[in-house]
Amino acid sequence: SAVISQKPSRDICQRGTSLTIQCQVDSQVTMMFWYRQQPGQSLTLIATANQGSEATYESGFVIDKFPISRPNLTFSTLTVSNMSPEDSSIYLCSVAVRRTNTGELFFGEGSRLTVL
Amino acid sequence: DAKTTQPTSMDCAEGRAANLPCNHSTISGNEYVYWYRQIHSQGPQYIIHGLKNNETNEMASLIITEDRKSSTLILPHATLRDTAVYYCIVRGDSGAGSYQLTFGKGTKLSVIP
Repeated sequence: SAVISQKPSRDICQRGTSLTIQCQVDSQVTMMFWYRQQPGQSLTLIATANQGSEATYESGFVIDKFPISRPNLTFSTLTVSNMSPEDSSIYLCSVAVRRTNTGELFFGEGSRLTVL
Repeated sequence: DAKTTQPTSMDCAEGRAANLPCNHSTISGNEYVYWYRQIHSQGPQYIIHGLKNNETNEMASLIITEDRKSSTLILPHATLRDTAVYYCIVRGDSGAGSYQLTFGKGTKLSVIP
């Protein structure tokens, strides 16, 4: 398995500000993803974090709003830019581990953001 | 990836088997059935997956019908800690895109003392 640490675990932010969420994994992983879970809703994929290149965004998500970095195989950041109350969600980092052959994804505990 | 249909919620008595159904009538030949669960305030947790044969691990059993259009996740002896939202997900298993998961609304399982 993979141990995923996300920081911050929760934060309260002011409208118009930006916040960067960090995802650190304890082993090298092939794929890293960022998901959003709005209150009472299921998870929605934001993007795939690609090492050393621009992230691949899903429909409805853009780089200007959710810039993502992945400088190496164990670390990624997601920034939520120019936040509004609609961005209040749990943001989750997810990884696929190279050594497993089950194809399972591991998830962090999430970062709960509240935008006032 | 094929769409899945699950009941919105289910109750199960503690100690009894919990049987969670999932319909995936448009599943294609190379698509697997995955089950994850999300306990309140935690990230999703992998449970089990299968292609066409029934599967069992330490957490659960997965029964897939012969035509693969539906499946059932079985928690043999449900405990209060199994209270969670259970997601049935169908996805292909080839190429980089196969790692992505598309989550539906899932089934909220409540285990009752």
